[in-house]
Amino acid sequence: QQQVKQSPQSLIVQKGGISIINCAYENTAFDYFPWYQQFPGKGPALLIAIRPDVSEKKEGRFTISFNKSAKQFSLHIMDSQPGDSATYFCAAGSGNTPLVFGKGTRLSVIA
Amino acid sequence: KAGVTQTPRYLIKTRGQQVTLSCSPISGHRSVSWYQQTPGQGLQFLFEYFSETQRNKGNFPGRFSGRQFSNSRSEMNVSTLELGDSALYLCASSLDGFRNEQFFGPGTRLTVL
Repeated sequence: QQQVKQSPQSLIVQKGGISIINCAYENTAFDYFPWYQQFPGKGPALLIAIRPDVSEKKEGRFTISFNKSAKQFSLHIMDSQPGDSATYFCAAGSGNTPLVFGKGTRLSVIA
Repeated sequence: KAGVTQTPRYLIKTRGQQVTLSCSPISGHRSVSWYQQTPGQGLQFLFEYFSETQRNKGNFPGRFSGRQFSNSRSEMNVSTLELGDSALYLCASSLDGFRNEQFFGPGTRLTVL
């Protein structure tokens, strides 16, 4: 009930391509869905977040798509750059309860 | 504004020992959370402290404990270390809880031999 399933585990994308990472959740009480980006040797940093009253949120090259009925949300990185190479975590939460994190996707963007 | 700081950054201990990790949150942040990060399990929530009180707790054994001081700085302690405790321990702070953005520190890499 509390799990967030993230796929794929790893992803290799050509520079300029689109990176897509998917997450699925079970708990319908979740109402906050952030994505975190983590570089080696650093802690995760909030990238973008969405609440279920909208189906899409875009910030620069990063877009979250949210499908409430399917209980799925995804991160799209347009025009992927080598500097985007990092591990990405989706998460879900509700109220003031702890976020539940997916297991992460290691993205490599190759030139 | 200074970010979240964690000390030490690296630690090597042997089985059976205990360890204390420290976290200084961003100034003005009252909520501090701790996470264990491992390659197999990802980020797992340990506990959250707010105004010196433990407000949320994850599913970890009692060997894992923490506290928060009046200046919001927090410590976590692991007693009777096991090999499986080897992990990156991350601290995150936020203004007042999980509804606000959490800012993570760089973590403490603990190796148990």
